[in-house]
Amino acid sequence: DAGVTQSPTHLIKTRGQQVTLRCSPKSGHDTVSWYQQALGQGPQFIFQYYEEEERQRGNFPDRFSGHQFPNYSSELNVNALLLGDSALYLCASSSLMNTEAFFGQGTRLTVV
Amino acid sequence: KNEVEQSPQNLTAQEGEFITINCSYSVGISALHWLQQHPGGGIVSLFMLSSGKKKHGRLIATINIQEKHSSLHITASHPRDSAVYICAVGSYNTDKLIFGTGTRLQVFP
Repeated sequence: DAGVTQSPTHLIKTRGQQVTLRCSPKSGHDTVSWYQQALGQGPQFIFQYYEEEERQRGNFPDRFSGHQFPNYSSELNVNALLLGDSALYLCASSSLMNTEAFFGQGTRLTVV
Repeated sequence: KNEVEQSPQNLTAQEGEFITINCSYSVGISALHWLQQHPGGGIVSLFMLSSGKKKHGRLIATINIQEKHSSLHITASHPRDSAVYICAVGSYNTDKLIFGTGTRLQVFP
């Protein structure tokens, strides 16, 4: 079992650009949550996907959007990138029947 | 005030010392998680608990639901334990996790 995998691991983008980050959940998990972790801070909840729908959303602008595919993998899209979007983006998968979350290694996004 | 508070923020220890990291929370929870994050970012789940105590190797986690407090203990600490330890809670009726800001632990030989 590969666990939770995220791609890419590192990414550099320019202000105003758009970015797509990807996450494959742990085998058997159907729920994917995305978190943003700024340097020196704890992760902040962005949103959660279950059954291909956004189930919950944190306090993030509409520039942050997502998608979940039938195979439970998920994408996080950020439009009109700002310098402040530079962070580590973490994906966590879980099963609706069991709330233990497993995390990926994260994607480190740098906006210049 | 953050919903999840950890203390201390930074911790330095000599190899072999007993270490305690504390977590207090202010919301009703369904479960509390202790996580370990190494430089580079990847997070590893250490414990998920909703009552009592759990032990895994040299790590022990306890939770007091009435006092809304949890502790993570590391016995016989080792330099490879150096990492950021994060407490996170899952609140009732939601699966999202609310994270503390972490405790940075450095263990020196």
